[in-house]
Amino acid sequence: QSVLTQPPSASGTPGQRVTISCSGSSSNIGSDTVNWYQQLPGTAPKLLIYNNDRRPSGVPDRFSGSKSGTSASLGISGLQSEDEADYYCAAWDDSLNGVVFGGGTKLTVL
Amino acid sequence: EVQLVESGGGLVKPGESLRLSCAGSGFTFSGYTMNWVRQAPGKGLEWVSSISGTRNNIYYADSMQGRFTISRDNTKNSLYLQMNNLRAEDTAVYYCARGYSSHWENWGQGTLVTVSS
Repeated sequence: QSVLTQPPSASGTPGQRVTISCSGSSSNIGSDTVNWYQQLPGTAPKLLIYNNDRRPSGVPDRFSGSKSGTSASLGISGLQSEDEADYYCAAWDDSLNGVVFGGGTKLTVL
Repeated sequence: EVQLVESGGGLVKPGESLRLSCAGSGFTFSGYTMNWVRQAPGKGLEWVSSISGTRNNIYYADSMQGRFTISRDNTKNSLYLQMNNLRAEDTAVYYCARGYSSHWENWGQGTLVTVSS
């Protein structure tokens, strides 16, 4: 059972927009920034969104992030087949004094 | 170019110990918090431990506290994870990652630890 809650799966067709949610509490998302990671099959995770809504250099602007209260979301517009991957949200938890992850969302491009 | 290369994984029996290493290059190693994150086969990501650049701040996930020890040698640009009394549930790919809090800009390729009799 992960501290942060994500839907286990999401899907969309090429060109569509999908949103992946991440729900937490006042001790994690409510008090810290959220980061998102993309993990392509068989590879290490890659930082996709940091500080709630910032994109590292090289990440297409099709990817966006937002946060409100104790929830965050990742948006992917103009869905492409290469976006098929697992997506994880993460944040520091003040109560646990450590980093917590969501369980991950497997994105399928139909 | 930032590079992180893990090593030291392998097959061990329950109760045995293993020491993982992560060699960093392409950046000022001592200036960064370093972390270990693991992923059991077919499962999600799990944070293991973090250590600040000065080693003043060290954190562990509750399930690893007391069995795992994180350390670093800034003169060798290296991060370590000493794992004792290993259990089957510690079987995972262990990644090292550079960055603070949950903001990890760079990751290694991972090293597989298998705990089985």
